[in-house]
Amino acid sequence: QVQLEESGGGVVQPGGSLRLSCAASGFTFRSYGMNWVRQAPGKGLEWVASIWYDGSKEFYPDSVKGRFIISRDNSKNTLYLQMNSLRAEDTAVYYCAKVVKEAFRGAYYYYMDVWGKGTTVTVS
Amino acid sequence: DIRMTQSPSSLSASVGDRVTITCRASQSIGTYLNWYQQKAGNAPKLLIYAASSLQTGVPSRFSGSGSETEFTFTISSLQPQDFATYFCQQSYSTPPITFGQGTRLDIK
Repeated sequence: QVQLEESGGGVVQPGGSLRLSCAASGFTFRSYGMNWVRQAPGKGLEWVASIWYDGSKEFYPDSVKGRFIISRDNSKNTLYLQMNSLRAEDTAVYYCAKVVKEAFRGAYYYYMDVWGKGTTVTVS
Repeated sequence: DIRMTQSPSSLSASVGDRVTITCRASQSIGTYLNWYQQKAGNAPKLLIYAASSLQTGVPSRFSGSGSETEFTFTISSLQPQDFATYFCQQSYSTPPITFGQGTRLDIK
């Protein structure tokens, strides 16, 4: 079945680095854009990064721009998030999510239809 | 950036109740609005996309409506497994992807 599994979380000191991975299975990974979304303890959902299906474009919010890098290896069906210069406010559960681009009502709609279970990053 | 505001932030209801959550966008987003359910300790789950389209496998007691800046999410008859937090998310102007702050639905 369609599945995403994150790994690589852990405890890191402020200023440190961590690389998260997201292993995809059950679908044609190279055909879909992917997102990273995080959730700080007791808080809401925050988008962290996006990457096109072929890796040709990446997008970040200002809160992580210049510190985080999203990438993918379509030959390994794996998504990555390299996190540098980590701060206490980056502490969160990090989810990877598959992005569907659907033609509907004469336009393209985007939504995240499959999510991993998340991996926890603690910066302390 | 488009700001999404949900109301209420929390809600208590009983099994069998009809429940409605509102999501307002800071500017017009057409019907580029998705709804997710998140149960404690779990990942979000897509329920509704394009404001009113039910994701495959999602029970028909869930529904969504609205357009432009105002959207509603309704559970027609609350079931025990529906107690969770619900988030709206706009996909009109992305990036950035933005979410509402969430509505926590618990048992009265």
